[in-house]
Amino acid sequence: NAGVTQTPKFQVLKTGQSMTLQCAQDMNHEYMSWYRQDPGMGLRLIHYSVGAGITDQGEVPNGYNVSRSTTEDFPLRLLSAAPSQTSVYFCASSGISGANVLTFGAGSRLTVL
Amino acid sequence: EDQVTQSPEALRLQEGESSSLNCSYTVSGLRGLFWYRQDPGKGPEFLFTLYSAGEEKEKERLKATLTKKESFLHITAPKPEDSATYLCAVQLNTGFQKLVFGTGTRLLVSP
Repeated sequence: NAGVTQTPKFQVLKTGQSMTLQCAQDMNHEYMSWYRQDPGMGLRLIHYSVGAGITDQGEVPNGYNVSRSTTEDFPLRLLSAAPSQTSVYFCASSGISGANVLTFGAGSRLTVL
Repeated sequence: EDQVTQSPEALRLQEGESSSLNCSYTVSGLRGLFWYRQDPGKGPEFLFTLYSAGEEKEKERLKATLTKKESFLHITAPKPEDSATYLCAVQLNTGFQKLVFGTGTRLLVSP
């Protein structure tokens, strides 16, 4: 049981480049989300989805795009990378009933030069 | 503004030296409070959920408690393998799964 799988684990980009962080879960969770973690700050919600075809903005959505075409996958797209997007990104998923406990991926460390 | 504050930022303990971590919150409406453990280079791992004041949960050397304004994570006789960052998060009752995270407490337990 893999849980939540994120790729790549590390990425270096130049300012203005675009890229996609991949997230896949095999737990049949309806809810998926993306967080960023920066030193001295708590995890902050970027975007989330409560099911295929449904996405919504979190606390810090600017500069990021998401889509949810399947239950399993929730990619995060950086349209034009900026140094302020240097961070560690975590994908997390949960069911939408019961305890709603988030299961996190291992993270993707992104550096924008 | 919804806010979660954790203290101390960092804590160093000797093996066997018990202590407590604090998570205080100011939110519009509390649906639940979560504790996570995060090891370096890894994602947060779920520990506990607390829903109402007076509730307590235990797991091995860890016990989490909740009041109307704060939560404590008590660590009894810690071991070096308890070294990690402990994150507190509050789930608001204004939106599904909207968690507000604290900045965490880095715990180092020396043998």
